[in-house]
Amino acid sequence: NAGVMQNPRHLVRRRGQEARLRCSPMKGHSHVYWYRQLPEEGLKFMVYLQKENIIDESGMPKERFSAEFPKEGPSILRIQQVVRGDSAAYFCASSRYRDATGKNEQFFGPGTRLTVL
Amino acid sequence: GDSVTQMEGPVTLSEEAFLTINCTYTATGYPSLFWYVQYPGEGLQLLLKATKADDKGSNKGFEATYRKETTSFHLEKGSVQVSDSAVYFCAPGADKLIFGTGTRLQVFP
Repeated sequence: NAGVMQNPRHLVRRRGQEARLRCSPMKGHSHVYWYRQLPEEGLKFMVYLQKENIIDESGMPKERFSAEFPKEGPSILRIQQVVRGDSAAYFCASSRYRDATGKNEQFFGPGTRLTVL
Repeated sequence: GDSVTQMEGPVTLSEEAFLTINCTYTATGYPSLFWYVQYPGEGLQLLLKATKADDKGSNKGFEATYRKETTSFHLEKGSVQVSDSAVYFCAPGADKLIFGTGTRLQVFP
């Protein structure tokens, strides 16, 4: 069974460019989560999506960041006009479902390491 | 808001030593509790979990017990190996996992 896949693994962008990060969840998983890990810090929740819906985007910066999870294809985290402070590792996780209490196990991808020059 | 506090690292141990990594949390309601491990250059792997009070999660010799009264979920292992060297994250949560800064473990032969 393939795990959560993310690409690219490493991405270099210059200030002002756009970054697109892709995440393919595990087979049979319809819930996707994005987290950001700044250097020497823990992961911070960004957004939770189901197919074609954003469930919780409370961790997303108000500007320049957007996420989608279309009916077909991977989830995309898009960062417009990147700045140096966006340099971080971005991790995607997926889960199969939401159980009755809203608790579910998340499986993480290997991450995309974004460097903004 | 919800938060988690882990003991600061690095934790440096000799092989076969006993390991404890403390974790306490504040959360609304009764979240599930998870320990994740991150090896260098990799993503997070679920190590163990507990979903209700007094549950004990265990895997690969690691254990942690969900203590509701002390809001803690300390990670323990009786005899660590060099291959256990990694960063360990305690994470309470439901849909949204709350991560601490992690605890780096270094095990020397």
